[in-house]
Amino acid sequence: SQTIHQWPATLVQPVGSPLSLECTVEGTSNPNLYWYRQAAGRGLQLLFYSVGIGQISSEVPQNLSASRPQDRQFILSSKKLLLSDSGFYLCAWSVPGNTGELFFGEGSRLTVL
Amino acid sequence: GDSVTQMEGPVTLSEEAFLTINCTYTATGYPSLFWYVQYPGEGLQLLLKATKADDKGSNKGFEATYRKETTSFHLEKGSVQVSDSAVYFCALSRSRLKLSFGAGTTVTVRA
Repeated sequence: SQTIHQWPATLVQPVGSPLSLECTVEGTSNPNLYWYRQAAGRGLQLLFYSVGIGQISSEVPQNLSASRPQDRQFILSSKKLLLSDSGFYLCAWSVPGNTGELFFGEGSRLTVL
Repeated sequence: GDSVTQMEGPVTLSEEAFLTINCTYTATGYPSLFWYVQYPGEGLQLLLKATKADDKGSNKGFEATYRKETTSFHLEKGSVQVSDSAVYFCALSRSRLKLSFGAGTTVTVRA
C-alpha cells in the first residue's frame, strides 16, 4: 500500500533562518507531488506541484522554493524565513491522470518567531 | 479561475443533530468535486467525491450530490457524533492535476 511521510512534524525557527521540510512517498511510482500551506483561520493554498523529477511549478510568488531530487521525494525550502511563513504545511501526492484525488501527509507545523 | 465557496464556521451541534455544510463552485466545464476532512492535528483525508452531474458521493454516513444546475455540492449527515468534530473542506478539480479548496468549515459536535 502507498504511504506518505513528511517531517519534521513541528518546527520553531527564528526569523531569517533557513528551512527544509521533507516529504517522501512509498508504494507508488511517478506520483504527482504537492506542497500546500494552511495558515491559521484560512483555507489551503497550493504552493508548488511537481509532475516529475526536477519539474516544479510554483503557484504563488513567495519566499519559498521546492525541489524534487528523486521520484518520490519532495522538499520545501527557504533561505531566510519570514514571520508570515508560519503555518501548517501539507505534502500530498496523486496518481497521474486520476480524477484529482489527493493523499495527504500528516503535516508540519512551522512557527517563525 | 476556478473557485470554491463554502459556508463559514464554526458550526457547533449536539450529538444526533443534522449537519449541512453548503458548498458552491465556479468553474468551466465539468469538474470533479470532493469533500475532505481534517481531524485535529492531522492531514486531510478524502471523505467522498463525485465526478459528474447528479452523482451522489457517500461515506461514513455523509452524503453530497453534484448539482450542476445550482453549481453546488452540499455535505449532509443525518445524525452526527462527537467523532465527526473536524474541519471539512470542499474542493474541485478540473485539470486532474490540481485541486482548488474552499476555506474550510470547522464543525464541533458536543455530547
